[in-house]
Amino acid sequence: EPEVTQTPSHQVTQMGQEVILRCVPISNHLYFYWYRQILGQKVEFLVSFYNNEISEKSEIFDDQFSVERPDGSNFTLKIRSTKLEDSAMYFCAGETSGATTQYFGPGTRLTVL
Amino acid sequence: DQQVKQNSPSLSVQEGRISILNCDYTNSMFDYFLWYKKYPAEGPTFLISISSIKDKNEDGRFTVFLNKSAKHLSLHIVPSQPGDSAVYFCAASRYGGSQGNLIFGKGTKLSVKP
Repeated sequence: EPEVTQTPSHQVTQMGQEVILRCVPISNHLYFYWYRQILGQKVEFLVSFYNNEISEKSEIFDDQFSVERPDGSNFTLKIRSTKLEDSAMYFCAGETSGATTQYFGPGTRLTVL
Repeated sequence: DQQVKQNSPSLSVQEGRISILNCDYTNSMFDYFLWYKKYPAEGPTFLISISSIKDKNEDGRFTVFLNKSAKHLSLHIVPSQPGDSAVYFCAASRYGGSQGNLIFGKGTKLSVKP
């Protein structure tokens, strides 16, 4: 059964550095999402992406964040200048048109020191 | 602003008995609800969903009940198995389906004891 994959599984970075988190969605998915979960807190929506455009974003998704799907396969989340409070699990998710659920990847644990 | 609330952070149940996980929501615009299960170091895995036009949806051992007037839903697992031990998240959407951002509760950690 196809799965959403994410790399790396764990990323450690220094505050102020740029990070790129990568996701490979299931091939027939059309809608893509990034969520994050700070330790001990709920899963929070960051951004949704459809037809090569951002369709919705949350207040968390400020100018430090960007997403792209550069090659029609990978879906990336870039944080330009990381802050301590960006430390969290970041989940990529995808779904097909008319689907009833989003399929999540295993997550990338980002640790900002 | 907790639009989706899971007031029980944990629940412990004996194997073979019923597990009931509860979820409340405040936004009357939500019209689609999902339950996800999450094991440590894994992403959320979809379990079952329900549209606001229904009050019950069943899939094997899992049944979700929706009470729109009370803005309350619950997940019943019968019979509970040790492999069901995980964190369960309730999520809601305003878009009549899953396409759109999901608003999650904080989760309930279920422990099923043999």
